[in-house]
Amino acid sequence: QVQLVQSGAEVKKPGASVKVSCKASGYTFTGYFMHWVRQAPGQGLEWMGWSNPNSGATNYAQKFQGRVTMTRDTSINSAYMELSRLRSDDTAVYYCARGVGGYPDYWGQGTLVTVSS
Amino acid sequence: DIQMTQSPSSLSASVGDRVTITCRASQTIISYLNWYQQKPGKAPKLLIYAASTLQTGVPARFSGSGSGTDFTLTISSLQPEDFATYYCQQTYSYPLTFGQGTRVEIK
Repeated sequence: QVQLVQSGAEVKKPGASVKVSCKASGYTFTGYFMHWVRQAPGQGLEWMGWSNPNSGATNYAQKFQGRVTMTRDTSINSAYMELSRLRSDDTAVYYCARGVGGYPDYWGQGTLVTVSS
Repeated sequence: DIQMTQSPSSLSASVGDRVTITCRASQTIISYLNWYQQKPGKAPKLLIYAASTLQTGVPARFSGSGSGTDFTLTISSLQPEDFATYYCQQTYSYPLTFGQGTRVEIK
């Protein structure tokens, strides 16, 4: 069965960077895009972008351009999302989600990133 | 960016009720519309893609319809496990955008 297992919660100071990992199993990792979506506390869902594990290509939402980097390591079936220059309003749960036909189908369990001084 | 507007923002319903949630796009998205269910503390779960196609394993009481700018998610007979927040999402153009969510609560 498809599983996406994300890294654990993080606490970061403003201005720092965070890197969240997402380990895939149960399917061919390079055959599907990986989306990243975040959700601030009590708020809705916000799409950040996707990466193509096969080619390494990426597509970022303009809002995050210059601050986000999505990468992958095909040897261990893992995708990564790094967000830099963190602010307090980056406090959120960050999800990875497998992409099929342009939309996310299976989601990871989420990683809480708290930005606080 | 395409704005997605859901209505209502919340609703109260009883087990067995028929529930309808509406999602409107700020411009045509043809049928590039998905619906997700999210329970507290959990990741979203895909229910319907391409406006009306039921994801594998999703109960048949869920259905989706619409095209262009107006879409509907219907739960034909609400079950206890259906109390959750529902989001629509357009995948017609980037950035992908979600509606603000509709919370379905127990009456």
